[in-house]
Amino acid sequence: NAGVMQNPRHLVRRRGQEARLRCSPMKGHSHVYWYRQLPEEGLKFMVYLQKENIIDESGMPKERFSAEFPKEGPSILRIQQVVRGDSAAYFCASSPLPSAGGLDTQYFGPGTRLTVL
Amino acid sequence: DAKTTQPPSMDCAEGRAANLPCNHSTISGNEYVYWYRQIHSQGPQYIIHGLKNNETNEMASLIITEDRKSSTLILPHATLRDTAVYYCIVRVAGRLFGTGTSLTVIP
Repeated sequence: NAGVMQNPRHLVRRRGQEARLRCSPMKGHSHVYWYRQLPEEGLKFMVYLQKENIIDESGMPKERFSAEFPKEGPSILRIQQVVRGDSAAYFCASSPLPSAGGLDTQYFGPGTRLTVL
Repeated sequence: DAKTTQPPSMDCAEGRAANLPCNHSTISGNEYVYWYRQIHSQGPQYIIHGLKNNETNEMASLIITEDRKSSTLILPHATLRDTAVYYCIVRVAGRLFGTGTSLTVIP
């Protein structure tokens, strides 16, 4: 059973370009989470999605960032008009349907390192 | 969501037990305690979770106090590969991980 897959592993963009980060959850997992980790800092939650639904986007910047998890295909985190401050590691995690009590162990992918020049 | 407090860093001698504390005094009755670790900028790795009872798996043991306001992750025989940042989290569901405890296992 393959783990969470993310691609690309490294992405370089110039200021003003668009960045698209992809995440394929583990087989059987219907929930996807995106996190950002700035250099020398901890993980910060961005968005939580189910298939075709955004459940919680409270950690997502209001502008330039969007996320989707379509019925078919991977989840996509899209950053428009990137700036240098967007340089970070972006991690995706997936989980199966949470059970009662919030038992929702997350399994993380290897991350995408975004560098904005 | 309940917040957690962890020491920023700890050292442990190789082969000895590493005991990582976590305070979660505002935890709710149905919230689980989760532990993850992140080895040198890799994706975080799930270690263990618990609600009330102590738990043990092949990686670690989790001791939760009776009042559930704190817990301790125990790595029984720390190896150099256990050097990582350890995150104690209550109610994972896409929440802030915080800065965790940076554990360094010393040869």
